[in-house]
Amino acid sequence: SAVISQKPSRDICQRGTSLTIQCQVDSQVTMMFWYRQQPGQSLTLIATANQGSEATYESGFVIDKFPISRPNLTFSTLTVSNMSPEDSSIYLCSAGQTNYGYTFGSGTRLTVV
Amino acid sequence: QKEVEQNSGPLSVPEGAIASLNCTYSDRGSQSFFWYRQYSGKSPELIMSIYSNGDKEDGRFTAQLNKASQYVSLLIRDSQPSDSATYLCALMNRDDKIIFGKGTRLHILP
Repeated sequence: SAVISQKPSRDICQRGTSLTIQCQVDSQVTMMFWYRQQPGQSLTLIATANQGSEATYESGFVIDKFPISRPNLTFSTLTVSNMSPEDSSIYLCSAGQTNYGYTFGSGTRLTVV
Repeated sequence: QKEVEQNSGPLSVPEGAIASLNCTYSDRGSQSFFWYRQYSGKSPELIMSIYSNGDKEDGRFTAQLNKASQYVSLLIRDSQPSDSATYLCALMNRDDKIIFGKGTRLHILP
């Protein structure tokens, strides 16, 4: 299974600013996903990061708020833009191949003040 | 109906017994199914993948898939206190998205 390095692990940000989260995978993978997880809750899919094309966003998530890049098969970034306290959450990236399963990065704990 | 449904628990099981975790799903086009374990404050850890009907065993873990009944389960034999965690059922749906259930909290009682 893929090993994913995600950073930063945590950050405290001022409202109105932006934070970019990075995920680096140790091998080329077909699929990369970005999730949000509120404390005590399950994972909500934000978007599928597509290599070479625009990300596919889920209902309730828009590109202007959560721009995603995927320049190659091993790297992706998620930016949380114009942050408000409601954006405080844990953000996780996931990557892998269908026949090998999908693993997660260690997560980014974001607090917006 | 939600795409992936799990009983939230908590499910309490005595140490050494078998823990049985269940999951149902709505999209018959789903082909790949996964079980993740998540400890508090940690990211989910993939413990089992299953793609065809029947049982798949890996150590103390057995995943069971029944596509006709749209049902996936995870059995944990010889449960240990370290198995206490939240277990997340997930699937890849027909749109190639990985969708998660809300998770079942499992407590192994020493």
